[in-house]
Amino acid sequence: NAGVTQTPKFQVLKTGQSMTLQCAQDMNHEYMSWYRQDPGMGLRLIHYSVGAGITDQGEVPNGYNVSRSTTEDFPLRLLSAAPSQTSVYFCASSYSQNSPLHFGNGTRLTVT
Amino acid sequence: GEDVEQSLFLSVREGDSSVINCTYTDSSSTYLYWYKQEPGAGLQLLTYIFSNMDMKQDQRLTVLLNKKDKHLSLRIADTQTGDSAIYFCAESPQTGANNLFFGTGTRLTVIP
Repeated sequence: NAGVTQTPKFQVLKTGQSMTLQCAQDMNHEYMSWYRQDPGMGLRLIHYSVGAGITDQGEVPNGYNVSRSTTEDFPLRLLSAAPSQTSVYFCASSYSQNSPLHFGNGTRLTVT
Repeated sequence: GEDVEQSLFLSVREGDSSVINCTYTDSSSTYLYWYKQEPGAGLQLLTYIFSNMDMKQDQRLTVLLNKKDKHLSLRIADTQTGDSAIYFCAESPQTGANNLFFGTGTRLTVIP
């Protein structure tokens, strides 16, 4: 059982470049979310989705877009990368709104 | 918004008990979680407690919740070197779709 799979594991971008961080889960979870982890700040919610076709903003959504065309996939797009987006990004999913979150292993992104 | 606070560092000797503390501000929290993060890995759910409970025990782990003081603790009995990691406290507010608010994490170092 793969759980929550994130790709790539590492990425380096130049300022202004765009890219998509991939997240897929094979547990038929309805709820998916993206967090970023920065030193001394814990994890902060970027965007989340309660089901296919439904997305909403979290605490720090600026500079990021998401879509949820299928239950399994929840990609995170950076349209024009900035150095402030250097971080470790975690995707998470849960069966329902009151179930524990399961996390992927993260994508470490550096923007120069 | 919600605020979840933890001390940053804790060192214990192997075989001793570890107690990691967390305070939160949202009195309407439904679930409170403890996650463990090992280097280069994602977050692993350790245990969680529903807000109407005051204690939960799971093998070497004991969670205590003082709802009046908004204080959560995680006790690890017979701490082992494999317990060295960062431990995150997180709370799930009553509103919102499983959008967790995380503390900054406590880095536990176990000294052999």
